[in-house]
Amino acid sequence: EPEVTQTPSHQVTQMGQEVILRCVPISNHLYFYWYRQILGQKVEFLVSFYNNEISEKSEIFDDQFSVERPDGSNFTLKIRSTKLEDSAMYFCASSDTGGGQPQHFGDGTRLSIL
Amino acid sequence: AQSVTQPDIHITVSEGASLELRCNYSYGATPYLFWYVQSPGQGLQLLLKYFSGDTLVQGIKGFEAEFKRSQSSFNLRKPSVHWSDAAEYFCAVGADSWGKFQFGAGTQVVVTP
Repeated sequence: EPEVTQTPSHQVTQMGQEVILRCVPISNHLYFYWYRQILGQKVEFLVSFYNNEISEKSEIFDDQFSVERPDGSNFTLKIRSTKLEDSAMYFCASSDTGGGQPQHFGDGTRLSIL
Repeated sequence: AQSVTQPDIHITVSEGASLELRCNYSYGATPYLFWYVQSPGQGLQLLLKYFSGDTLVQGIKGFEAEFKRSQSSFNLRKPSVHWSDAAEYFCAVGADSWGKFQFGAGTQVVVTP
């Protein structure tokens, strides 16, 4: 069964550094998402992406964050200048049609900011 | 504003016993409803979904869920749990055209021998 893959599985970064989290969505999917889960808290929506542009973003997704689909297969989340509170598990998800269709999630990248 | 509530943070159940996890949502119309399971160190796996039609939906791993509009609930059930069902379970609502999901806080299920 096709799956969403995320790399790396764990990223340790110094505060203030830039970090890029990478995702390869399922190949025929058109809608892409990033969520994060701070330890012990609920999964929170960050951003959705469709047709090469952001379709919706949450309050969390401020100017420090950006997303990109640099080629036909990768979907990246960049945090420009990391803060301690960015430490979390970041999940990438994709779906084929959006509109409430099931989203398929990757295994996540655990980001630790020192 | 839409919201999802999972009232039980933690449930302990004996292997072989039945399990019910509660989920309540708040939304103006009928939302799309999902249950996901997260095993330690892993991503979110879809258990089942409800869009419309039959209010009792079957999912993977022997799980089922019932949509009750009058109670704004979408509770997850399994008649007989296995030790491998120990995980965290998330209820999610997808209610806009872009598919943004809102998750509940999750219920941690512990299975005892």
